Amino acid sequence: EIVLTQSPVTLSLSPGERATLSCRASQSVSSIYLAWYQQKPGQAPRLLIYGASSRAAGIPDRFSGSGSGTDFTLTISRLEPEDFAVYYCQQTGSSPPYSFGQGTKLEIK
Amino acid sequence: QEQLVQSGAEVRKPGASVKVSCKASGYTFTSYYMHWVRQAPGQGLEWMGIIHPSGGGTDYAQKFQGRVTMTRDTSTSTVYMELSSLRSEDTAMYYCARDYCSTTSCYVVNWGQGTLVTVSS
Repeated sequence: EIVLTQSPVTLSLSPGERATLSCRASQSVSSIYLAWYQQKPGQAPRLLIYGASSRAAGIPDRFSGSGSGTDFTLTISRLEPEDFAVYYCQQTGSSPPYSFGQGTKLEIK
Repeated sequence: QEQLVQSGAEVRKPGASVKVSCKASGYTFTSYYMHWVRQAPGQGLEWMGIIHPSGGGTDYAQKFQGRVTMTRDTSTSTVYMELSSLRSEDTAMYYCARDYCSTTSCYVVNWGQGTLVTVSS
């Protein structure tokens, strides 16, 4: 079973700053099977990035994803007030279980 | 417009079972896997399992093996998740979530609104 570890657990930044969120896998994950989701309080998660680096429909270009193998990164270039939320990575590899990371909470400093 | 509409909130006593439904519309129901994911209060997302609506094949997370059953009804484009022998730790929001897979990527493309299951004596 692949375990995803996200860091940091909490990230405190101000609007306009750059955010860098990490997702590390316990074994290699094909890039095509790595996705990022955003979740705001009281809402279902929303797809941000798929295939490690492709933005989902309607996602602003300040969001970008990168990485390969066991190390993946979600970057938000300039934080907007609506970006403060919890972010999860997920691997949907060749076979289940399709685990999630534990999440990174991005909070306003 | 694709939609996943889940059944309403449930309250159960410890030891009971609960069955949550997820009705799909706006896409070809039998073409895409459906995940079930839960989220305990204040906690992260936990993957429970997956069902293919076409043949009904399932894969469950080891943690839920023996307690969870996922089924589907193709005539109504609905998937179901039944969890038995409930305990207080099963109190959570339960989501269905539609998978999309191509030769270049696989991911969850859409989520239901969630169903809150509360287990309390």
